[in-house]
Amino acid sequence: DQQVKQNSPSLSVQEGRISILNCDYTNSMFDYFLWYKKYPAEGPTFLISISSIKDKNEDGRFTVFLNKSAKHLSLHIVPSQPGDSAVYFCAASEEGGNAGNMLTFGGGTRLMVKP
Amino acid sequence: DGGITQSPKYLFRKEGQNVTLSCEQNLNHDAMYWYRQDPGQGLRLIYYSQIVNDFQKGDIAEGYSVSREKKESFPLTVTSAQKNPTAFYLCASSVTPGWASGYTFGSGTRLTVV
Repeated sequence: DQQVKQNSPSLSVQEGRISILNCDYTNSMFDYFLWYKKYPAEGPTFLISISSIKDKNEDGRFTVFLNKSAKHLSLHIVPSQPGDSAVYFCAASEEGGNAGNMLTFGGGTRLMVKP
Repeated sequence: DGGITQSPKYLFRKEGQNVTLSCEQNLNHDAMYWYRQDPGQGLRLIYYSQIVNDFQKGDIAEGYSVSREKKESFPLTVTSAQKNPTAFYLCASSVTPGWASGYTFGSGTRLTVV
């Protein structure tokens, strides 16, 4: 049973518009959430994170929103650029930062930003 | 430049063969991890090591083995017992075990059974 789910395998957006990537989780013990970006034939790179004590974290064009009651988080990219085209993974961790707590990843969403 | 290196980039395995994937890091990270990526499955944890000479099974350890004789190295062996080994394998490291935002990933090895 997948504890972290990204229900949209792909998303296509026009350059300059907003991209919204969604992620749902089932484990209520998760308290630290991350987004990773992955280009083909490369390893994922860390993009942005959020702790469960917050409901929003912003870094430039990227904003992550957390709705704990709905066990849902989303990544907003505004404005979207062609270089943002990649696979985005949502990940979650229990007691973030403590020893032995591993990341659980979602299945990924492929974002395509059209010029 | 510090980083994490996986080799080879592409690997072909015949049925019944064992193969070993290399993962080396010069980041002085204590913890290292192996993940497997299949389409639509996300990244699934195979093994992890929090310290030299110690490692733990992840969610899908069957058919795999690892060693951690040096801090810098965490090789993964895909044995003949692994029934469906064709996948993209990613190695990662972090300064401390469980430091979620501190994972550094290698560029991966694509293994194909021929």
